[in-house]
Amino acid sequence: KNQVEQSPQSLIILEGKNCTLQCNYTVSPFSNLRWYKQDTGRGPVSLTIMTFSENTKSNGRYTATLDADTKQSSLHITASQLSDSASYICVVPYFSGGYNKLIFGAGTRLAVHP
Amino acid sequence: EPEVTQTPSHQVTQMGQEVILRCVPISNHLYFYWYRQILGQKVEFLVSFYNNEISEKSEIFDDQFSVERPDGSNFTLKIRSTKLEDSAMYFCASSVSGGMETQYFGPGTRLLVL
Repeated sequence: KNQVEQSPQSLIILEGKNCTLQCNYTVSPFSNLRWYKQDTGRGPVSLTIMTFSENTKSNGRYTATLDADTKQSSLHITASQLSDSASYICVVPYFSGGYNKLIFGAGTRLAVHP
Repeated sequence: EPEVTQTPSHQVTQMGQEVILRCVPISNHLYFYWYRQILGQKVEFLVSFYNNEISEKSEIFDDQFSVERPDGSNFTLKIRSTKLEDSAMYFCASSVSGGMETQYFGPGTRLLVL
């Protein structure tokens, strides 16, 4: 079954600290993995897209890694800011009939405290 | 920067009533999507739409749901006879193409069925 699992479910860190969020997927065939940031009551916003050939990709203070062999990805946030408080969602497209639909993980809810 | 817009932001309706949720995708995008997120749960794919027809739909998208692009800018989701369990946040998204292109999400419409 095509699934995306994330851990931890929630995380509290202090401003300025680093954190790492995990994603495991079983979607097959695999072509890419996406990390989204979702503020409360808002739509998801894309942070990064990683293809199966990419191991690491950075977007400012966000660094995503991908291990296509173990089907794991991580999102590392450095020097956290209060505005990083949000849900971070791992998403893997599932291609069917030539079109993609996105399979969403449940997300990690991050709270950054001063 | 172009963005996906949705109206209304909130809608309250009585069970059994019809509702129409509206979306204006980004102007040069060709693929359109609807997702929903029940409070506290994952975002779920509902339907994708391209070239004036449904390209894929999930098992959630039953006969109560329909989508339409009535003109060159709007994309609508109609729920014919709402049920209590239709209460959720509904997100519209659009992308340039249906492959690896990023899907851009709107801010969502929060639907409450009483």
